[in-house]
Amino acid sequence: EPEVTQTPSHQVTQMGQEVILRCVPISNHLYFYWYRQILGQKVEFLVSFYNNEISEKSEIFDDQFSVERPDGSNFTLKIRSTKLEDSAMYFCASSVGARQPQHFGDGTRLSIL
Amino acid sequence: ELKVEQNPLFLSMQEGKNYTIYCNYSTTSDRLYWYRQDPGKSLESLFVLLSNGAVKQEGRLMASLDTKARLSTLHITAAVHDLSATYFCAVDFIRDDKIIFGKGTRLHILP
Repeated sequence: EPEVTQTPSHQVTQMGQEVILRCVPISNHLYFYWYRQILGQKVEFLVSFYNNEISEKSEIFDDQFSVERPDGSNFTLKIRSTKLEDSAMYFCASSVGARQPQHFGDGTRLSIL
Repeated sequence: ELKVEQNPLFLSMQEGKNYTIYCNYSTTSDRLYWYRQDPGKSLESLFVLLSNGAVKQEGRLMASLDTKARLSTLHITAAVHDLSATYFCAVDFIRDDKIIFGKGTRLHILP
């Protein structure tokens, strides 16, 4: 069964550094999402992306965050200048259409030191 | 405001017992998901409920949706230790292209 893949599985970064999290959505999916989960807490929506632009974003997704689909397969989340509170598990998801079931990747654990 | 509330948030139960997790949400939706998460792992899709009155069953888990009451339930029958995990409900609100998750119910089943 096709799946969403995320790399790396664990990223350790110094505070203030830039980090890029990578995702390869399922190939025929057109909608892409990023969520985050701070340890022990609920999963929070960050951003949705369709047709090469952001369709919706949450208040968490401030100017430090950006997303990009640099080629036909990858979908990236960039955090420009990381803060301690950015430490979390970041999940990528994709769906075949709007409001269709979202398939989640295994996540990237981001640890900011 | 879009809200999804689960209760209980933590549940410790004996093997063989039955229990129900509740998920309430704040405004109109016709689509609700249940996910399972093991510690440090990703979200495993359990059920997608698409219409009022929908009921789905998989093994010892059964999920239902009442869109009029804005309520979904996840019922566990004759619990076994392997079902220990955190269970999230997530609601896809109409007019919004995102899923809002509940806080999760951490289920601990004692052998």
